[in-house]
Amino acid sequence: EDQVTQSPEALRLQEGESSSLNCSYTVSGLRGLFWYRQDPGKGPEFLFTLYSAGEEKEKERLKATLTKKESFLHITAPKPEDSATYLCAVREGNTGFQKLVFGTGTRLLVSP
Amino acid sequence: NAGVTQTPKFQVLKTGQSMTLQCAQDMNHNSMYWYRQDPGMGLRLIYYSASEGTTDKGEVPNGYNVSRLNKREFSLRLESAAPSQTSVYFCASKPGQGEGGEQFFGPGTRLTVL
Repeated sequence: EDQVTQSPEALRLQEGESSSLNCSYTVSGLRGLFWYRQDPGKGPEFLFTLYSAGEEKEKERLKATLTKKESFLHITAPKPEDSATYLCAVREGNTGFQKLVFGTGTRLLVSP
Repeated sequence: NAGVTQTPKFQVLKTGQSMTLQCAQDMNHNSMYWYRQDPGMGLRLIYYSASEGTTDKGEVPNGYNVSRLNKREFSLRLESAAPSQTSVYFCASKPGQGEGGEQFFGPGTRLTVL
């Protein structure tokens, strides 16, 4: 059974203090790892998709990387507006249809 | 474009009552999904629809039914609500019917069953 574990559950940073969030997964053949951002009271918002080990994607202060067992979301010099819950998900199963298995998320709080 | 819209935003039901959660997207997407989000559980797939006229069960379908009314609309019905169905419900859509592409989520419906 495909599983996704995110750590830490919560992270508090000072503005400008860089850090990384972890997403470890167990799937029988990865066919896509997704990162989403979720603000309080809102739906998740897509950030990145990674498909193969060694792949990296960047967007502003965020960079996502992928290995064979885990993905990291690196946050460089974060700002208070980066405060949110970050969700990781993997594609499930061998069907041609996209079904995602989500982790429980990392709640990030960036203080000014 | 409004993207994915959901109604209502909040709802309180008594055990045994029924209700329908509405979802619509204006992005001409083929695939639509219903998820529930509970503390400590992450998002879990209830039902999905790969295209107009087709629906399939996800991870937690018990107690729910869905209708893909047309390409735009995908509704979720609770026939006899139970306290265990207290949750935040999200609808999502995705272009295409296959593996690729990102899912676009609605703002959610916060449901409490007393």
